[in-house]
Amino acid sequence: RKEVEQDPGPFNVPEGATVAFNCTYSNSASQSFFWYRQDCRKEPKLLMSVYSSGNEDGRFTAQLNRASQYISLLIRDSKLSDSATYLCVVNRGWWAGTASKLTFGTGTRLQVTL
Amino acid sequence: DTAVSQTPKYLVTQMGNDKSIKCEQNLGHDTMYWYKQDSKKFLKIMFSYNNKELIINETVPNRFSPKSPDKAHLNLHINSLELGDSAVYFCASSQGRGGPDEKLFFGSGTQLSVL
Repeated sequence: RKEVEQDPGPFNVPEGATVAFNCTYSNSASQSFFWYRQDCRKEPKLLMSVYSSGNEDGRFTAQLNRASQYISLLIRDSKLSDSATYLCVVNRGWWAGTASKLTFGTGTRLQVTL
Repeated sequence: DTAVSQTPKYLVTQMGNDKSIKCEQNLGHDTMYWYKQDSKKFLKIMFSYNNKELIINETVPNRFSPKSPDKAHLNLHINSLELGDSAVYFCASSQGRGGPDEKLFFGSGTQLSVL
């Protein structure tokens, strides 16, 4: 079983639609969670952290369910510019004062159309 | 003003050759990483250095040798290149505090093609 699993998609949605992505992780000791965005042939960029209480950043809402080891990302009012691959990322450990070991899912591809 | 820059952007070479990829960050971060993204888009950590010291080494063949001359630079040297090494290699950096909120900033990637 992969450490972080995502539906690869693609999700094809019209502009203005609401779309949700899910992600499951296998390591129950994972401490923190993120969504990164990767445009075609570009580097991943941090979209948002995911907190236990759920958090929102404009049109984006992230949720975490530790009991089910499940993370979600909701995008409201989709824009053409939201077309990208969304990577679910789990922090599965760190070395105090030095680095963290992030595990990336393979991503869910979103295509927003006119 | 690029925060994490890596060169070259594209690298095409023959099997058996030795090549290097360079990475530099101007964010003042203490920790740098190399990630490999294969054809299936799976992004996997290879190495991490903190203040020039190796702290993460993820079962990478010893043909891959990272070198960090200072905390702003992390280079990757690959010996005896194989077809399976073809991938996009991303350099990244983070503040280096460790902990749950550590966030990574990536370079734009090096597309390595081994023929």
